[in-house]
Amino acid sequence: NAGVTQTPKFQVLKTGQSMTLQCAQDMNHNSMYWYRQDPGMGLRLIYYSASEGTTDKGEVPNGYNVSRLNKREFSLRLESAAPSQTSVYFCASSEARHRGSGANVLTFGAGSRLTVL
Amino acid sequence: GQSLEQPSEVTAVEGAIVQINCTYQTSGFYGLSWYQQHDGGAPTFLSYNALDGLEETGRFSSFLSRSDSYGYLLLQELQMKDSASYFCAPFSGGYNKLIFGAGTRLAVHP
Repeated sequence: NAGVTQTPKFQVLKTGQSMTLQCAQDMNHNSMYWYRQDPGMGLRLIYYSASEGTTDKGEVPNGYNVSRLNKREFSLRLESAAPSQTSVYFCASSEARHRGSGANVLTFGAGSRLTVL
Repeated sequence: GQSLEQPSEVTAVEGAIVQINCTYQTSGFYGLSWYQQHDGGAPTFLSYNALDGLEETGRFSSFLSRSDSYGYLLLQELQMKDSASYFCAPFSGGYNKLIFGAGTRLAVHP
């Protein structure tokens, strides 16, 4: 049981380049999330998807787009990377569609470390 | 708006007890979660309080007071492996939206 798998683990980009971070979960969870983590800033929510076919903005959505491809997969795209997007990106999933049992237990992927030069 | 406060760093010795406090301000509050993250690793779920009071899970306990918008994580019989960052995360609003603070870095010394 792999849980949440993110690719790539490491990536270096030049300013203005584009890339997509891939995330897949095999736990049949409804909800998926993308967070970024910067030193001293904790985890900040970029986008989330409560269920297949829906996506919503989090705290810091600017410069990003997401796609909930199916129930398993949730990708994060940087169309024109900027140095300010240098960060560690975490994908996570949880099982509940609505607040309630299981709603708060997020399972995180191992993270993707992105450097934008 | 939303705000979240927890100490940035805590230091303790092996075998001791440490309490990490968290105060929050958020609309549509449902409960408070705690996560642990070791350096270079991913956050992992520790506990969740939906109701006031203490929840115990082995050496770790978590407390919530909804009226005070306050919670804490209590770690007992500290071990070196408990050295990590600990995040409180209020669960609020809409669909499973979890907001994390900057976290508390716990250093356990021999």
